[in-house]
Amino acid sequence: GAVVSQHPSRVICKSGTSVKIECRSLDFQATTMFWYRQFPKQSLMLMATSNEGSKATYEQGVEKDKFLINHASLTLSTLTVTSAHPEDSSFYICSATTSTDEQYFGPGTRLTVT
Amino acid sequence: GDSVTQMEGPVTLSEEAFLTINCTYTATGYPSLFWYVQYPGEGLQLLLKATKADDKGSNKGFEATYRKETTSFHLEKGSVQVSDSAVYFCALSDPGSARQLTFGSGTQLTVLP
Repeated sequence: GAVVSQHPSRVICKSGTSVKIECRSLDFQATTMFWYRQFPKQSLMLMATSNEGSKATYEQGVEKDKFLINHASLTLSTLTVTSAHPEDSSFYICSATTSTDEQYFGPGTRLTVT
Repeated sequence: GDSVTQMEGPVTLSEEAFLTINCTYTATGYPSLFWYVQYPGEGLQLLLKATKADDKGSNKGFEATYRKETTSFHLEKGSVQVSDSAVYFCALSDPGSARQLTFGSGTQLTVLP
């Protein structure tokens, strides 16, 4: 089946620093990847839609200069949280779509900003 | 806009009990409907799906039927196991929404031995 990986699975960073999260589709090409944020005991909130080779489309209220998304190839998208603050601490999940439009989710990245 | 409303949890059941998690939706078109499961510390896994009215999705003993007349997609399992303890999300994908998923708030299920 289709597998999506994320790296790192957990990261702790200091306030003011930047952190990059990678999302890879391991055995398929994904023209579209989605980035979600999940707060404890809450649902997933879509942050942005990322299409290979073009700029990401951000949801309302998501700061594009703070959450930089790069979709450099059909198998890799990255989310960079710039100048991180404690309120950015969250569980970040990516998903990738195949030609059948089914979304496959990564295992998530737990970000803690101290 | 599209929305998904699902039963609030947490839900606690004894092993072998019957499970129902209610889910209703609002959509402008004819969406596809999904149930995802999230185990502790992990991402989401697709549990089952249905793409048109009266379709029944099923997997691992779980099933849900796409009911257009009641705009519902309730999740059921006849006999739950401890290993079913997880958070369950109902979601829809509207054909006109560029494959974006709209999620419900999630329902925490705990199954006790």
